[in-house]
Formats: sequence, structure tokens, C-alpha cells
Amino acid sequence: EPEVTQTPSHQVTQMGQEVILRCVPISNHLYFYWYRQILGQKVEFLVSFYNNEISEKSEIFDDQFSVERPDGSNFTLKIRSTKLEDSAMYFCASSGQHLNQPQHFGDGTRLSIL
Amino acid sequence: GENVEQHPSTLSVQEGDSAVIKCTYSDSASNYFPWYKQELGKRPQLIIDIRSNVGEKKDQRIAVTLNKTAKHFSLHITETQPEDSAVYFCAASNYNQGGKLIFGQGTELSVKP
Repeated sequence: EPEVTQTPSHQVTQMGQEVILRCVPISNHLYFYWYRQILGQKVEFLVSFYNNEISEKSEIFDDQFSVERPDGSNFTLKIRSTKLEDSAMYFCASSGQHLNQPQHFGDGTRLSIL
Repeated sequence: GENVEQHPSTLSVQEGDSAVIKCTYSDSASNYFPWYKQELGKRPQLIIDIRSNVGEKKDQRIAVTLNKTAKHFSLHITETQPEDSAVYFCAASNYNQGGKLIFGQGTELSVKP
């Protein structure tokens, strides 16, 4: 069964540094999402992406965040200047040809800001 | 915006018993309600979902019911097994408006052998 893949599995970064989290969505999917989960808390929506542009973003997704689909397979989340409170598990998800299809999640990247 | 409340936060049952987890949502325009199971340190995995034009859906030991009028939906697991132990998240979405998932706070289910 096809899966969403994310790299790296764990990223440790100094506060103030830039970080890029990478995702390869399922190949024929058209809708892409980033979520984050602070340890012990619920999963929170960050941003959705379709047709090479952001569809919607949450209040968490401020000017320090950006997303990009640099080629036909990768979908990246960049945090420009990381803060301690950015420490969380970041999940990429994708869904198929239509919005009413289920979202499938990757294994996540654990981001630790020191 | 949408808000999803989930109860209980923890649930402990004996193996073989049933477990029920309940969620309420605030936005009557929400039309898609998935349930995810998350084991420790792993990805959320979709276990069942329901759309607003259906009142109930069943898949083997798992069922979901939806009451649109009351804006609540529930997950029912029958004949629980130790491998059912995990955190379960409900979510709500409006797939006519971008499809973002709004999650509940999660229920930690523990099934004791």
C-alpha cells in the first residue's frame, strides 16, 4: 500500500536556525497538508496546499512558516527562525483526487529546538 | 471556526468488553468525520470514517454513529483486544471548504487482558 514518507524522522536544531521538513505524498494525490502535535496534545492543522498554492492556513502558520512543492514529488515545510515552542511532531498528510477522500499521514518528523 | 470536543480523555476496559468514545462538533457545515488510531510514537492511522449523509457505518468490530441534529458522533469498539490499546482521535472536516481536519483532544484507551 502506498505511503506518505517524511524525512528526517528526528531533527535537532538550535533556536533561531532555519529548518526544512520534507514529505513525499502518495503519488497520485493532489491535496497536501501539514499538521503538528505537541507532546501529549492533539493534532493541530497548520496548512493545506492544492494546485501549487496554499488553500488555507491556521493562526499557527505565521510568517516564519512556508511551504513549497519544489518538484513533482516533494512537499516541504520550512520554519525560518525556529523558537523553543516549535518543538513538536510534524505530520504531513495527503489525500487523493477529491477533497472528500481520506487523508493519509506520514510517520512524522520530531523537531526538537534547543 | 470548528471546535471538536472528545470524551473521555482516558478509558480503561477489560478485554472483551465494549468501548465507546464520543465527540461533539460545533460547525453544522462539517460533513466528514474520520477516526484515527495513534500508537505511541507512530502516525495517526485512519480506522473508520463517516460522511454526513450516513447515520452509521460498521467495519468488523468498529462502528461509528453520527447524529447531525445534535452534532455528535461516536466510535464503538466491540470485543476489545489488548492491541486496541492506543490513543484515538476524532476529527471533523468540511470537504467543500478545503478539507482541513480539526481534531478532538484524544482518548487514551487501555484494554486490560
